[in-house]
Amino acid sequence: NAGVTQTPKFQVLKTGQSMTLQCAQDMNHNSMYWYRQDPGMGLRLIYYSASEGTTDKGEVPNGYNVSRLNKREFSLRLESAAPSQTSVYFCASSRGPAISYTFGSGTRLTVV
Amino acid sequence: GQQLNQSPQSMFIQEGEDVSMNCTSSSIFNTWLWYKQDPGEGPVLLIALYKAGELTSNGRLTAQFGITRKDSFLNISASIPSDVGIYFCAGLLKDSNYQLIWGAGTKLIIKP
Repeated sequence: NAGVTQTPKFQVLKTGQSMTLQCAQDMNHNSMYWYRQDPGMGLRLIYYSASEGTTDKGEVPNGYNVSRLNKREFSLRLESAAPSQTSVYFCASSRGPAISYTFGSGTRLTVV
Repeated sequence: GQQLNQSPQSMFIQEGEDVSMNCTSSSIFNTWLWYKQDPGEGPVLLIALYKAGELTSNGRLTAQFGITRKDSFLNISASIPSDVGIYFCAGLLKDSNYQLIWGAGTKLIIKP
């Protein structure tokens, strides 16, 4: 019973490098989300996908792109990493809006 | 953007004490969710509230959806060491488009 799986768990990037964070859920959820968590700021929504084939910007989308590859997978891409993107990134999924989000265990990203 | 004010920011308590925390806003919410985050993990849903005035319990935890729909409270009775962590409130605004609004969290620390 995996739930939401995120890879990698840790990553260090140099400024300007690109990378993709992967997320997969096995609960047949319709909606998927990418959040970043910074100390003292709670969770901020980067992008979300209400259903397969749709994506929308959240509160802090600049510097990121997403792909809803299929119902199970939702990836987050940093095209040119910046130190301000150092954070912990969480993927989440839900059957519908605000219905019991299930979170992955996070990716700790450091940009130097 | 919209804000949730979560307080207190942190709490130092003795094992066995009761704990209270709350979230307030100037906006009206349709749903309130309370999550707990353990170190190195993603948040896990504790309680979901869907109606104004609703009072819901989950073991030693009790949460209430404020009658004005602008606030919510979480109480933990007889705290134990495993209650340590960060507690987040999250709300779905009336007429929202899937975007949960998150509080900044309450860090619970139990004094030995």
